[in-house]
Amino acid sequence: QSALTQPASVSGSPGQSITISCTGTSSDVGSYNLVSWYQQHPGKAPKLMIYEGSKRPSGVSNRFSGSKSGNTASLTISGLQAEDEADYYCCSYAGSSTVFGTGTKVTVL
Amino acid sequence: QVQLVQSGAEVKKPGASVKVSCKASGYTFTSYYMHWVRQAPGQGLEWMGIINPSGGSTSYAQKFQGRVTMTRDTSTSTVYMELSSLRSEDTAVYYCASYGIAAAYAFDIWGQGTMVTVSS
Repeated sequence: QSALTQPASVSGSPGQSITISCTGTSSDVGSYNLVSWYQQHPGKAPKLMIYEGSKRPSGVSNRFSGSKSGNTASLTISGLQAEDEADYYCCSYAGSSTVFGTGTKVTVL
Repeated sequence: QVQLVQSGAEVKKPGASVKVSCKASGYTFTSYYMHWVRQAPGQGLEWMGIINPSGGSTSYAQKFQGRVTMTRDTSTSTVYMELSSLRSEDTAVYYCASYGIAAAYAFDIWGQGTMVTVSS
């Protein structure tokens, strides 16, 4: 199972919106609406931000939203804030396994 | 509160084995699957496998087949991940993560991570 493809880095100014893509295949992202997204600050454990493609866990800001089209899932962060600077990983159920994305470093300019 | 507490950092020599523990609390241990994920220094997240704490059944990523063993002890609500034949490339932070307690099909609770260093 190959890792899902994400851009290595995305940047934006405070208040702007950014979108991170996550491209898989018809065996993972394309077959299941079970993509999740994780935020990871340096030296910390990942934190769940989006599950089942577009749902937010309790306590996660509504500035974070998720969507999917075909084999590509996306995470959008609106109203970018300094605290959003972190690494972001997508993850997809793939039947008998689970696969993570390559990770995207988000920089707030 | 729901939490996962992992064992401390380990330093191992190449060829040795390491066993990392993950103690769950605050929820019904046998009701939710547990996964193991690792992250090499400066690298991304890598899924290793899953264990059903209820019956003990497991499924491992193909990459780790034959080298990883996941077990559980229901009396202490603890899961274990043992990795054998260690090599330098296994140097990483190893996380346990619960699956689906508050969010379906997602890793909603993570342990603090256990650093495993493989060095001669």
